[in-house]
Amino acid sequence: DAGVIQSPRHEVTEMGQEVTLRCKPISGHDYLFWYRQTMMRGLELLIYFNNNVPIDDSGMPEDRFSAKMPNASFSTLKIQPSEPRDSAVYFCASSPDAGVSGYTFGSGTRLTVV
Amino acid sequence: SQQGEEDPQALSIQEGENATMNCSYKTSINNLQWYRQNSGRGLVHLILIRSNEREKHSGRLRVTLDTSKKSSSLLITASRAADTASYFCATDPGNAGKSTFGDGTTLTVKP
Repeated sequence: DAGVIQSPRHEVTEMGQEVTLRCKPISGHDYLFWYRQTMMRGLELLIYFNNNVPIDDSGMPEDRFSAKMPNASFSTLKIQPSEPRDSAVYFCASSPDAGVSGYTFGSGTRLTVV
Repeated sequence: SQQGEEDPQALSIQEGENATMNCSYKTSINNLQWYRQNSGRGLVHLILIRSNEREKHSGRLRVTLDTSKKSSSLLITASRAADTASYFCATDPGNAGKSTFGDGTTLTVKP
């Protein structure tokens, strides 16, 4: 398995634009997580899915953020409109068991909003 | 605030020396996990220790857990330059999907 695949690796966008981050989890992992990492706040859980259903989105900072998982092999995190304070590295991770035995992380998307 | 807090924030050692980093947490846990993050990369799972375990080994890694003190330590023996990375602990409170990560210890191993 190629692991968790995220795209793009880097994204630079202007304030107010829509940004879509993509993730392909490991096949057979029923849980998918979106995290955001910043120097100030560390690694924060934004939302996670079980069997394509959003279970906990309490970490999503604002209504500008939305996430979907239309099938078991694809998820998106969308920010509309983007703001400079959204600049961060966004990670997707998957797990076969809600993270109990550990998470497999993708390489992340470094988002810069100017 | 984060459930797990690593100490020290940064550690610099010479190749061949041992590196010890600590993690403290606040509430009861089911297990505790350690991850490594190389610059510009995602986190990589290193080792998991369950709440009923006191010590665990994996290669050059040794993890201890003291649930009475709510703390864990990660020891890397005979360090190498390739061990240069940030190390994070993650605590699983038994609430599915709600593991929380500490702020990490940045380890620099000088050749």
